[in-house]
Amino acid sequence: DSGVTQTPKHLITATGQRVTLRCSPRSGDLSVYWYQQSLDQGLQFLIQYYNGEERAKGNILERFSAQQFPDLHSELNLSSLELGDSALYFCASSSHPGGDYGYTFGSGTRLTVV
Amino acid sequence: AQKVTQAQTEISVVEKEDVTLDCVYETRDTTYYLFWYKQPPSGELVFLIRRNSFDEQNEISGRYSWNFQKSTSSFNFTITASQVVDSAVYFCALSENYGGSQGNLIFGKGTKLSVKP
Repeated sequence: DSGVTQTPKHLITATGQRVTLRCSPRSGDLSVYWYQQSLDQGLQFLIQYYNGEERAKGNILERFSAQQFPDLHSELNLSSLELGDSALYFCASSSHPGGDYGYTFGSGTRLTVV
Repeated sequence: AQKVTQAQTEISVVEKEDVTLDCVYETRDTTYYLFWYKQPPSGELVFLIRRNSFDEQNEISGRYSWNFQKSTSSFNFTITASQVVDSAVYFCALSENYGGSQGNLIFGKGTKLSVKP
């Protein structure tokens, strides 16, 4: 157990729907990162939060949004889902905003859009 | 542009062979970190090593070793006496502190290693 908890582990939903992925960072870590792993794009950075504030944005679609709550857990919201959104979504946490002390990844949420 | 290239898409070896996974990176930063992660068939990302840009010493951990060469922007990973349990996809990644992109990881496409008995 890495200490980063992601729920649910698997999610199957239909096109056009909206889902929420949840991540609880490792105890003491203030930074949360979201990554998407798909067959064609590989592992891509989506967005980072540090202590409740958005810190950096990567290749995140406008249909996607995220937030980090006061208890430091984070949610990634995916809306108007398309078949191409099927992927493995990882959350990672670190204690430092710049990640200088390493990243710990959760086990991922596998999203299948049908 | 920041980029990580893993030119080897797939490698297949027989158990006990040594294997080297190549990683070449591009960055404008003088301060950066390099990582290797392992993704076994179960799907999780397992941290293997982090190296900062100021430390060019090679590192050995059991059957694993890493060769960091700043002059060639390479950070190669060698598994000695490979085992079937080493079968996985291995990712090299670069972390930068640059402008708005503070600390996110840039991953290579990964190298799929198959170790056959």
